[in-house]
Amino acid sequence: DARVTQTPRHKVTEMGQEVTMRCQPILGHNTVFWYRQTMMQGLELLAYFRNRAPLDDSGMPKDRFSAEMPDATLATLKIQPSEPRDSAVYFCASGLGRTGNTIYFGEGSWLTVV
Amino acid sequence: AQRVTQPEKLLSVFKGAPVELKCNYSYSGSPELFWYVQYSRQRLQLLLRHISRESIKGFTADLNKGETSFHLKKPFAQEEDSAMYYCALGGTGRRALTFGSGTRLQVQP
Repeated sequence: DARVTQTPRHKVTEMGQEVTMRCQPILGHNTVFWYRQTMMQGLELLAYFRNRAPLDDSGMPKDRFSAEMPDATLATLKIQPSEPRDSAVYFCASGLGRTGNTIYFGEGSWLTVV
Repeated sequence: AQRVTQPEKLLSVFKGAPVELKCNYSYSGSPELFWYVQYSRQRLQLLLRHISRESIKGFTADLNKGETSFHLKKPFAQEEDSAMYYCALGGTGRRALTFGSGTRLQVQP
């Protein structure tokens, strides 16, 4: 049963610290997404890669967030410096196909910034 | 613009009652629509997609292009159906899936 794997599952950090979240997409999938889930905003798209190239990161605050795919088996989302308002669940998802539809989610990284 | 609206934040029903979770969309092209479910503190899982025209866990959804709706229905709710349900609109070109704000379904015994 292939799954998207995310680390860390839980992270508590102090304001100002750097946070790196990692994602291993399902083998063979060519699209990768980062979503942020909060009670207030629901699911927000932060970044979207196809064949490792960034296609859409318009939802990501550029001053502190960055997303990369160093290779086809790893996607990273970095926050530097972190702020309390970044506290949320960060989901990675992967998919196969030109438009990336029918995507499969990881279990999420639960981030708390104090 | 691509948009998904789920008007209800919370839907509470009794076990055995019918359920309808509403979803409306706006999209200029030919849409691909999905329902995802998230059980407590778990990952989102694909529940169904309109092109499959299937029934999963007793749930069905019909795409109504005239009303731009894709409501999720189940004739008899079960307690294990309690979860967060997200409607999503498939993208074309460079667009990723657009999710609605979600509806929490609470099935009471």
